[in-house]
Amino acid sequence: DAGVIQSPRHEVTEMGQEVTLRCKPISGHNSLFWYRQTMMRGLELLIYFNNNVPIDDSGMPEDRFSAKMPNASFSTLKIQPSEPRDSAVYFCASSLGLIVSSYNEQFFGPGTRLTVL
Amino acid sequence: KNEVEQSPQNLTAQEGEFITINCSYSVGISALHWLQQHPGGGIVSLFMLSSGKKKHGRLIATINIQEKHSSLHITASHPRDSAVYICAATEFGNEKLTFGTGTRLTIIP
Repeated sequence: DAGVIQSPRHEVTEMGQEVTLRCKPISGHNSLFWYRQTMMRGLELLIYFNNNVPIDDSGMPEDRFSAKMPNASFSTLKIQPSEPRDSAVYFCASSLGLIVSSYNEQFFGPGTRLTVL
Repeated sequence: KNEVEQSPQNLTAQEGEFITINCSYSVGISALHWLQQHPGGGIVSLFMLSSGKKKHGRLIATINIQEKHSSLHITASHPRDSAVYICAATEFGNEKLTFGTGTRLTIIP
């Protein structure tokens, strides 16, 4: 298996532009997670899905952020409009998530490094 | 809200030394995860445990549920072990990870 795939790996954009990050989870995994990592705040969960349904979006910073999972093999995280404080590394992860259980190992993608100028 | 704390924040050691990284959490959890983040940025899951001890090669993870504390040990440390080690906790009925701040480990040849 190719593991969790994220694109793009790097994104540089200007303030006010729309940014879309993409994630393909491991085939057969039912849970998908979006995380953000910054120097100041470390790793934090933004949102996670189970069977394509958002389960916990309490970490989504504000209305500028939105996430979708239209099918089991694809998810997007969109920022519109982007701001310099959104600069971070965004990780996607997936787990088997056969039930919404807490005992599932998570597998991380390589991350997308976003820079907003 | 669960608070996850790690110590030390930074650790430098000589090759071959025995390494211990500590993690404590504030509320009951169902699982404790240890993750490794390489200098290139990739994150790998090392262990997931809910009780007792797990061992993989030179790495050992332990957890004490009563004391709300976990440790990650590295025996015969090697420069390739240099990385950031992050502990994270999940609460019952939820896959949401709450992360510690990480421990930056540097092993000097």
